[in-house]
Amino acid sequence: EAGVAQSPRYKIIEKRQSVAFWCNPISGHATLYWYQQILGQGPKLLIQFQNNGVVDDSQLPKDRFSAERLKGVDSTLKIQPAKLEDSAVYLCASSLEYNEKLFFGSGTQLSVL
Amino acid sequence: LAKTTQPISMDSYEGQEVNITCSHNNIATNDYITWYQQFPSQGPRFIIQGYKTKVTNEVASLFIPADRKSSTLSLPRVSLSDTAVYYCLVGDGSQGNLIFGKGTKLSVKP
Repeated sequence: EAGVAQSPRYKIIEKRQSVAFWCNPISGHATLYWYQQILGQGPKLLIQFQNNGVVDDSQLPKDRFSAERLKGVDSTLKIQPAKLEDSAVYLCASSLEYNEKLFFGSGTQLSVL
Repeated sequence: LAKTTQPISMDSYEGQEVNITCSHNNIATNDYITWYQQFPSQGPRFIIQGYKTKVTNEVASLFIPADRKSSTLSLPRVSLSDTAVYYCLVGDGSQGNLIFGKGTKLSVKP
């Protein structure tokens, strides 16, 4: 079974630039999550989708972050403009339904200089 | 949202049994308890999930007392490869309530 795919694996940008991350969840998984993990901390939930609808985005800094899940499958997370404090690993996860175990991708490591 | 409290770090030796306890005093009726393991440069990986009493799979056991205000992850006979961060999550997966805490960093020594 193919896992959660994320790209790119690494990204280095300067502050005020824009960046986008892509996630392809496991086939058939209805729920998709984006987490931000700062070095030394646990993952922080940014947004949760159920199919192509947003379930929760209360922790998403909406002035600079946006996310979409087209046709309830792939998802993109965008930061525009980036700040130094956005340096982190961005993890995508998917699950079959609520209360099912989450499957995580390897993440995208973002460095903002 | 139910919050969890875990020890920041634990040390063990190869071959020992390790028990990591998580406190979740305000767990809701619909909440499940789930544990994840994370190695450096990787996403978290599911270990075990339970609602009450005891759950066992091929890698761990999860003990949940009747009041469900805490849970204990038990790793039998740990090896060096079990060195990782372990997270306890409490929630039912709806409304964005799968919140990771700071986790427990387990170090297994030879």
